[in-house]
Amino acid sequence: QVQLQESGPGLVKPSQTLSLTCTVSGRSISSGGDYWSWVRQPAGKGLEWIGRIYTSGSTSYNPSLKSRVTMSVDTSKNQFSLRLSSVTAADTAVYYCAMTPGRNSPFDYWGQGTLVTVSS
Amino acid sequence: DIVMTQSPDSLAVSLGERATINCKSSQTVLYNSNNKTYLGWYQQKPGQPPKLLIYWASTRESGVPDRISGSGSETEFTLTISSLQAEDVAVYYCQQYYSTPYTFGQGTKLEIK
Repeated sequence: QVQLQESGPGLVKPSQTLSLTCTVSGRSISSGGDYWSWVRQPAGKGLEWIGRIYTSGSTSYNPSLKSRVTMSVDTSKNQFSLRLSSVTAADTAVYYCAMTPGRNSPFDYWGQGTLVTVSS
Repeated sequence: DIVMTQSPDSLAVSLGERATINCKSSQTVLYNSNNKTYLGWYQQKPGQPPKLLIYWASTRESGVPDRISGSGSETEFTLTISSLQAEDVAVYYCQQYYSTPYTFGQGTKLEIK
């Protein structure tokens, strides 16, 4: 059974960089085939795909956030990470990591989500 | 970007009755070369991540009850719950995975009347 778990600071100051890590268990990131994404959801609102990364390090970002997003993968720790720079209050949301079993596939595994609040 | 639009925004249905949620995409999500429709449906309950219910527009995920079904093609899709149960109260989202950026509908809140 694949499990994903987000971790990182729950409070980030405006203009700083949000950093989150997703730890994967039950599946090796380096085995290939799967894509690893970040999705966010402001309180009471809908879902926004942030971007994805493959085991090779190849990335695809949402153009709406592309200038501020960096994703990376650490196969030795079976983790992947998100960095979002120059955050504002509009970046306050629950951040989910998720897995798709292929390049264009549905999200079949999700983490429980972590709330990140941007506030001074 | 492919825009996904759901209707209605909220829906109240009596227990045992049928619930129907619609989703339209701003362009086709049917890939002609493999005849697959890149459309999924998710259920989200408060405090939980979304749960995949339906993929390829009409394929039920393992463990999803058969009262829940998906249909449609090209740009118009429907999620149907044939006989509403109390545990079906949730927000439902459609999502296209045809092309990046992947996009979701705005959600439909399903409640019991």
